[in-house]
Amino acid sequence: QVQLVQSGGEVKKPGASVRVSCKSSGYTFSNYGISWVRQAPGQGLEWMGWISADSTNTNYAKKFQGRVTMTTDTSTTTAFLELRSLRSDDTAVYYCARDPYGALFDFWGQGTLVTVSS
Amino acid sequence: EIVLTQSPGTLSLSPGERATLSCRASQSVISSYLVWYQQRPGQAPRLLIYGASTRATGIPDRFSGSGSGTDFTLTISRLEPEDFAVYYCQQYANSITFGGGTKVEIK
Repeated sequence: QVQLVQSGGEVKKPGASVRVSCKSSGYTFSNYGISWVRQAPGQGLEWMGWISADSTNTNYAKKFQGRVTMTTDTSTTTAFLELRSLRSDDTAVYYCARDPYGALFDFWGQGTLVTVSS
Repeated sequence: EIVLTQSPGTLSLSPGERATLSCRASQSVISSYLVWYQQRPGQAPRLLIYGASTRATGIPDRFSGSGSGTDFTLTISRLEPEDFAVYYCQQYANSITFGGGTKVEIK
């Protein structure tokens, strides 16, 4: 069955960077991209961007351009999200989701809580 | 950016009742590009409906989607206990945006 398993929670100080991983299994990794979506505590969903499985194509939401990098490692079927210059309002649960072409999300990881606090 | 406005914010209903959730877009959205998700407490969202009206794999037929242009609706014909959750609409006609969500709670 399709599974996306994310790395554990992180606590970071303002100005630091965080890297979250998302390991996929149960499907042909090369056939699907990965989107990242975040959810601040008690808030709604916010799309951050999409990456193709081979990393040749990315599409970042304007809000995060310059501060985010998405990569993949096809040898381990793992996607990565790096967010830099963290602020307190980046505190959120970060989800990866399988996304064929940067559009909709049919399977989701369990989420990774990133807490930004001094 | 297309803004999606969901209403009501909270819907209080009893099991067995019908739920009607609205999603209104700030500009016209091609129906093919309108999606609905369900999020239960403490869980990741789950894909329910894509293309405005097509149920995702494994989704019960009590869930149905309809609409076009700027007005879309998710209907749950008879609420089951596991249906009490938050529902989000999402569009990908112009970048990707989500609505603010509708919480369906037990009355």
